[in-house]
Amino acid sequence: GAVVSQHPSWVICKSGTSVKIECRSLDFQATTMFWYRQFPKQSLMLMATSNEGSKATYEQGVEKDKFLINHASLTLSTLTVTSAHPEDSSFYICSARLPGPPAGEQFFGPGTRLTVL
Amino acid sequence: AQTVTQSQPEMSVQEAETVTLSCTYDTSENNYYLFWYKQPPSRQMILVIRQEAYKQQNATENRFSVNFQKAAKSFSLKISDSQLGDTAMYFCAFMIRGYSTLTFGKGTMLLVSP
Repeated sequence: GAVVSQHPSWVICKSGTSVKIECRSLDFQATTMFWYRQFPKQSLMLMATSNEGSKATYEQGVEKDKFLINHASLTLSTLTVTSAHPEDSSFYICSARLPGPPAGEQFFGPGTRLTVL
Repeated sequence: AQTVTQSQPEMSVQEAETVTLSCTYDTSENNYYLFWYKQPPSRQMILVIRQEAYKQQNATENRFSVNFQKAAKSFSLKISDSQLGDTAMYFCAFMIRGYSTLTFGKGTMLLVSP
């Protein structure tokens, strides 16, 4: 099956610093990737849709200047949390959509746990 | 806007028994997909089963099957012969055909006990 990796799997940083999370599709090309945020015991909340070669589409309420998304190639999307604060601590998950049929299936990365001190 | 409702926050079942997780959704669309995803303690999201709305036949994947009632907008997941490894959070999800984004329910935590 299609494999999506994320790096790092966990990160601890100081308040005010920036953190970059990478999402890679390992065995397929993904024109579209997605970034989710998940709080403990809650569902996944879509933050943004990342399209290769164009600007990301952010969901309502998500600060685009704080959560910078870059999808520079067909296998890599990055999420940078800028000037991180403790309230940004969360579990961040990316997914990638297979092109072509069967339409719609998303493959998820293993997630990144961010802790901001 | 689409909504997905999972009314069972938690469920428990004993090993080898059968359990059904409920999911209802609301949409005005006619062409869409429905999914069940599993998130075990590792937090890796795993696709369990997919249903295409235009197909009347219920999807099955080994011990997992769905009861898709399009008119009632219901999409339940049945797990037969439950195993300890089935312990996980289960999310029902909806996607309009032709679009990419998934709408998730709040999830049902399933605990399988020996």
